Amino acid sequence: DTEVTQTPKHLVMGMTNKKSLKCEQHMGHRAMYWYKQKAKKPPELMFVYSYEKLSINESVPSRFSPECPNSSLLNLHLHALQPEDSALYLCASSQRTVQGPRELFFGEGSRLTVL
Amino acid sequence: KQEVTQIPAALSVPEGENLVLNCSFTDSAIYNLQWFRQDPGKGLTSLLLIQSSQREQTSGRLNASLDKSSGRSTLYIAASQPGDSATYLCAVRPMIYNQGGKLIFGQGTELSVKP
Repeated sequence: DTEVTQTPKHLVMGMTNKKSLKCEQHMGHRAMYWYKQKAKKPPELMFVYSYEKLSINESVPSRFSPECPNSSLLNLHLHALQPEDSALYLCASSQRTVQGPRELFFGEGSRLTVL
Repeated sequence: KQEVTQIPAALSVPEGENLVLNCSFTDSAIYNLQWFRQDPGKGLTSLLLIQSSQREQTSGRLNASLDKSSGRSTLYIAASQPGDSATYLCAVRPMIYNQGGKLIFGQGTELSVKP
């Protein structure tokens, strides 16, 4: 099973709403990632969790708040977003070894539209 | 600063052709290189991962090579099919980011295989 599951697939929210994106994997991976992707652009890294601890925050605005409740789950809490935050949000996971992270596996993404 | 370039940006070929997608990177200090496929509006599917100590990897009709010293990788697709139509992305994991797992992506090659 090399599956990363993301919910919801589509989300429309107003600028004053609070919503969350969820990601789950059961591959035993201990590194999990959030990426943001705009149309016709490559994914941009937002956050990395390693062993349930935040290890990288790519200077993401505080209106995006990540959470890793356990080794299988990763959430992205959204609050007071702007229309320019509309994008495809991708979750990924990878195994960690003594040599570092291995192959990344991505979910299908959550398409976010901010009105 | 590591930069990844993919040429061409778009490619259209008739069904059955063998084709080569190119990826170049500016800093040879990488841990690994990964090729992905992305269908429109979908997540990324991992195709092949090449560790820095390896020269090539094969999976079915796909073969990826890595020449770290010259900063190049190629993805060879044999006997192309319409179902191969997608955007192909390469990404490198720089040594400096190894423990954090950050990938640097190219802009992608949009492939169209005509029946």
